[in-house]
Amino acid sequence: DTGVSQNPRHKITKRGQNVTFRCDPISEHNRLYWYRQTLGQGPEFLTYFQNEAQLEKSRLLSDRFSAERPKGSFSTLEIQRTEQGDSAMYLCASSLGTGNNEAFFGQGTRLTVV
Amino acid sequence: AQSVAQPEDQVNVAEGNPLTVKCTYSVSGNPYLFWYVQYPNRGLQFLLKYITGDNLVKGSYGFEAEFNKSQTSFHLKKPSALVSDSALYFCAVRDRGRSGGSYIPTFGRGTSLIVHP
Repeated sequence: DTGVSQNPRHKITKRGQNVTFRCDPISEHNRLYWYRQTLGQGPEFLTYFQNEAQLEKSRLLSDRFSAERPKGSFSTLEIQRTEQGDSAMYLCASSLGTGNNEAFFGQGTRLTVV
Repeated sequence: AQSVAQPEDQVNVAEGNPLTVKCTYSVSGNPYLFWYVQYPNRGLQFLLKYITGDNLVKGSYGFEAEFNKSQTSFHLKKPSALVSDSALYFCAVRDRGRSGGSYIPTFGRGTSLIVHP
């Protein structure tokens, strides 16, 4: 499968714990995006990488959230001290080159904070 | 700031009838526009995009969309709906130029399309 891969698919964690999600983009794609989606809403932008550089971060991304993309390949999204409000689907997408190219999405990681 | 509005939470249509899912947008410059579909427990799948040129864009699974600059709309259409088209549909926009805009696609809230047999 050469699509965008996200792991794990599901994560249940206790409030206050740290969690880390991984995204493997399509190999030749230099742009990588993280979005969050809650029930009944569209994807909300969290952060964006071009190669290994994190170029934009949403105001939604509090200081408990951090993302990395070492060597411009896979990316990780970490949430520290999780809160119940962090429960959502976390989507990763990648795209190639210029902004007119569509983004390809992974199946997402569903986080439940109990 | 760029934004997308999908005014209908849900669209119901009978199988075989034409369908329209509405989208309007706001950007400071010229837009790139996208439609995606999401099936239950799946990621978003790209359907079609408008970049430039012909205002009528054709995409996957028989879908098409019409770009209307004066009305700032990009409605999704299909001449004959199938039950298997039932899903969530998302419209997205990003500003073509950097000035006052963003490279990041902004998504609408989504419209649930239900096609009845």
